[in-house]
Amino acid sequence: EIVLTQSPATLSLFPGERATLSCRASQSVSSYLAWYQQRPGQAPRLLIYGASNRATGIPARFSGSGSGTDFTLTISSLEPEDFAVYYCQQRNKWPFGQGTKVEIK
Amino acid sequence: EVQLVESGGGLVQPGGSLRLSCAASGFTFSTYYMTWVRQAPGRGLEWVANIKGDGSATSHAESVKGRLTISRDNAKNSLYLQMNSLRAEDTAVYYCARILWYGDLWYLDLWGRGTLVTVSS
Repeated sequence: EIVLTQSPATLSLFPGERATLSCRASQSVSSYLAWYQQRPGQAPRLLIYGASNRATGIPARFSGSGSGTDFTLTISSLEPEDFAVYYCQQRNKWPFGQGTKVEIK
Repeated sequence: EVQLVESGGGLVQPGGSLRLSCAASGFTFSTYYMTWVRQAPGRGLEWVANIKGDGSATSHAESVKGRLTISRDNAKNSLYLQMNSLRAEDTAVYYCARILWYGDLWYLDLWGRGTLVTVSS
């Protein structure tokens, strides 16, 4: 079974800073990885699919990269609305990582 | 408007049953795989079950097999989750979501707002 591990658990940054979130798979998932954002009290929202493809309406400050076992979600300059929890997801039995919370420093 | 709206959540005793519904609108429901994902209070996302567009195939997480069952009625543009033999650990917000495919990756491009199920005596 392929398991996704996200790091760090919490990322404390100032608005305007760059955020780099990691998602590591226990075995290769090729480029079959998606990222979601969940703001407090809201449903998750798709950000990235296929490791690097931005979903419709997602701002260009969000980018995804990686393949195989190591993936990165980058937010180039944090806006106030970007402080949220981020999840990665793969196709297999345990789809979701445990999440990374991006909080205001 | 393209949307998903869940309903049917509430308080239920351990061992009890509940049926969740998800009403789809604004898209051709029958052509999409659909899923249920849940989130226990303060916890992360947990996949529950998927169903093919025509309802001919389903898959369920091991943790819910034999107790929670996904189904759909395409004539009513509705997705369901029949929940039996409920346990305290089933307490969560339940989201329905639409599945898209990228090669072998299924991902979720449209989510409902969720419905809360609380299992407690």
